[in-house]
Amino acid sequence: EVQLLESGGDLVQPGGSLRLSCAASGFTFSNFAMSWVRQAPGKGLEWVSSISDSGGSTYYRDSVKGRFTISRDNSRNTLYLQVNSLRGDDTALYYCAKRAPTWGPFDYWGQGTPVTVSS
Amino acid sequence: EIVLTQSPGTLSLSPGERATLSCRASQSVGSSNLAWYQQKPGQAPRLLIYDTSNRATGIPDRFSGSGSGTDFTLIISRLEPEDFAVYYCQQYPASPLTFGGGTKVEIK
Repeated sequence: EVQLLESGGDLVQPGGSLRLSCAASGFTFSNFAMSWVRQAPGKGLEWVSSISDSGGSTYYRDSVKGRFTISRDNSRNTLYLQVNSLRGDDTALYYCAKRAPTWGPFDYWGQGTPVTVSS
Repeated sequence: EIVLTQSPGTLSLSPGERATLSCRASQSVGSSNLAWYQQKPGQAPRLLIYDTSNRATGIPDRFSGSGSGTDFTLIISRLEPEDFAVYYCQQYPASPLTFGGGTKVEIK
């Protein structure tokens, strides 16, 4: 059974940083691209970042470029998102999601970790 | 960026009725790479349909998807009580990946 378990979310002041983690199990982690998707309170879904199976290719939405960094440790079956220079509009539930083969849709999702940016 | 517009915003129906949800793209979605997700309150989204018309693992056949180019449709043939939720369309793999704003299917 595929499981994705996020952690690391917290209440942080504007300009602060966090490291989000996603522990994966139930599939061969190193064979699949992974992504982060967020959802602001009461709002829709917003793609944040993706990383290839090897970690060699990364992609970001414009609003987080230069502030967020996606990475992975295939030996630990773990996906990361380093989030820096946080702003109020980064407040959201951050989901880790597995990509279906060949950069397909998100076929499995974690339950999310909350990030709240507030002074 | 491919903008996805979903309509209607809210659909009020009774169990047993047919639901028709629309997703329109601002430009053609390549190779019909369009997916649909269901999200219930307090839960993560669940993949229903991928590549426009293929049901994901374990999805009942009352869910069907169709369309091409810029116009896509999700149909729920007969609504079950567990189908009342919010539905999102999403295009891939063009970056940035984008989602529609969602359609809420509520009990009438």
